[in-house]
Amino acid sequence: DAGITQSPRYKITETGRQVTLMCHQTWSHSYMFWYRQDLGHGLRLIYYSAAADITDKGEVPDGYVVSRSKTENFPLTLESATRSQTSVYFCASSESRDGEAFFGQGTRLTVV
Amino acid sequence: AQSVTQPDIHITVSEGASLELRCNYSYGATPYLFWYVQSPGQGLQLLLKYFSGDTLVQGIKGFEAEFKRSQSSFNLRKPSVHWSDAAEYFCAVGGTGNQFYFGTGTSLTVIP
Repeated sequence: DAGITQSPRYKITETGRQVTLMCHQTWSHSYMFWYRQDLGHGLRLIYYSAAADITDKGEVPDGYVVSRSKTENFPLTLESATRSQTSVYFCASSESRDGEAFFGQGTRLTVV
Repeated sequence: AQSVTQPDIHITVSEGASLELRCNYSYGATPYLFWYVQSPGQGLQLLLKYFSGDTLVQGIKGFEAEFKRSQSSFNLRKPSVHWSDAAEYFCAVGGTGNQFYFGTGTSLTVIP
């Protein structure tokens, strides 16, 4: 199906484990973004990518790693999960850097 | 630094009443402004956007917003609220950079 999909939708992991959140878009949008959503903070940008093999830090990048070997995929990895990384994570894509962003359904991650 | 302020954390309105959600931004250049809506358990959907031109923009679902440069505001309005409008609303600002900055959101409750 066309669109932007995130997997898994829900994930529980233990402190210290590595976990990867997947994001896939079918529009061939150049720009992709990862946000985390926390109560009282709204959405905060973790990382973004302007094209394949080009990534850059956002507002809260510490503890996260991204890659973009293909235009359509933008996985987010928590190298060693901490409880403070319990959050809802949203992936988004955009055709241009100033255009409308299309969001996935989100991944609810709980770190115990 | 770029930022977005949504001063109202939560608003309750009666069905059929008018609605105004406030958004103030701080941005060094001409901003691109957006309003997104998030229904429970869902991703964000674009309601409307302002890039340039007419400062009153129309969006989906009967929403409109007015850009006021002198007040650094981009308030969202709807003349008559429907129960299905209950959701979380986010204002965002973007521009020549690659990032969008989101406000912390306003939660809207609609009472019969």
